[in-house]
Amino acid sequence: KNEVEQSPQNLTAQEGEFITINCSYSVGISALHWLQQHPGGGIVSLFMLSSGKKKHGRLIATINIQEKHSSLHITASHPRDSAVYICAVRLRTSGSRLTFGEGTQLTVNP
Amino acid sequence: NAGVMQNPRHLVRRRGQEARLRCSPMKGHSHVYWYRQLPEEGLKFMVYLQKENIIDESGMPKERFSAEFPKEGPSILRIQQVVRGDSAAYFCASSPHYRYLGYGYTFGSGTRLTVV
Repeated sequence: KNEVEQSPQNLTAQEGEFITINCSYSVGISALHWLQQHPGGGIVSLFMLSSGKKKHGRLIATINIQEKHSSLHITASHPRDSAVYICAVRLRTSGSRLTFGEGTQLTVNP
Repeated sequence: NAGVMQNPRHLVRRRGQEARLRCSPMKGHSHVYWYRQLPEEGLKFMVYLQKENIIDESGMPKERFSAEFPKEGPSILRIQQVVRGDSAAYFCASSPHYRYLGYGYTFGSGTRLTVV
């Protein structure tokens, strides 16, 4: 079992829909990151969380430390949001390196 | 303030050749991490370096792979005698000292290595 599990693996939405991507982890962490990767492109760090909730534009990220769960929400989705979204954690036992989920492929159709 | 710079963006090597991947961290960042993304797989940690020190190399294959971060110049990931299975995207990331509260973690655009 992976230490970081994401769901769903693939998600297709219509433009304007509200989107939620989930991430669960099984061990203690010091921080959780949400990353975005476009096809053939680099990786962009969207959020780093250790508690609570963060918002940036149409993106919202939440984390529940007790339940070992985080969600990434996209409001009013747009085709340019189509990308792979990756959850990554800094384990308490492994310093500052990241352990990654498998990613969620999001496609937003016009 | 340039971000993390990786070069080359694309690298083609024949089996048995050496591949050298370079990473210049963000200004003010003293920590460098290398990650590998195999085709159709997730990202995996390889090595974590500070200037002139390897802090954690637990993700590095035991043979043919090495990394350095010299006092001057970029970090280098070196793969000797490449094989087809080394074909992947190699990403570098940098951060300031890990104790800095709320520190950022910035990725480069990656180097796509193709072994033919």
